[in-house]
Amino acid sequence: GAGVSQSPRYKVTKRGQDVTLRCDPISSHATLYWYQQALGQGPEFLTYFNYEAQPDKSGLPSDRFSAERPEGSISTLTIQRTEQRDSAMYRCASSFSPGGQQETQYFGPGTRLLVL
Amino acid sequence: QQQVKQSPQSLIVQKGGISIINCAYENTAFDYFPWYQQFPGKGPALLIAIRPDVSEKKEGRFTISFNKSAKQFSLHIMDSQPGDSATYFCAASTLSGNTPLVFGKGTRLSVIA
Repeated sequence: GAGVSQSPRYKVTKRGQDVTLRCDPISSHATLYWYQQALGQGPEFLTYFNYEAQPDKSGLPSDRFSAERPEGSISTLTIQRTEQRDSAMYRCASSFSPGGQQETQYFGPGTRLLVL
Repeated sequence: QQQVKQSPQSLIVQKGGISIINCAYENTAFDYFPWYQQFPGKGPALLIAIRPDVSEKKEGRFTISFNKSAKQFSLHIMDSQPGDSATYFCAASTLSGNTPLVFGKGTRLSVIA
């Protein structure tokens, strides 16, 4: 595609509900990253995928957070039993590199999650 | 995650002036230092990046200065324009493999006429 897209752009949910966020990376890109960005802060790494493999989950804040990329393209980030502290912007980024040198990461517009 | 410290938090510059944003890092393994520019409602976009084998990189009005011994790097925007008004993030990572970017907290730049 022309760029990284994310949906929904905004999500309001009640505490305790599960939410699933979607990322559609640039079509030729092997690597996909998820970041969490609190208001007034820089993005913080959550996890990443090389195609469908998930080599690093170290940034996921708790076991309530999980991500998938089953076919190596679209990815979902699921937050179970949401808590108010999960409220943030969730950003997806993709890069061409399948595991070699660091390459430019292209960011999507993000999903703004608000947990009431 | 190792921290990347960015300053100032906000910056107001007159049109035509020089904007300077500074960052410091801790992890000596970092060897890739990009700057991202973010406009409201958009995701961060790569502006310019430097590797530590050079002390300076210039692209148009944007220059990164890098001081390896001090573990510091800075972004200079020459002849700042109102269209440069955005939030700027420094970041650090390693060149090899898919290591995640570690971002600073960002600097909100306003260029006023």
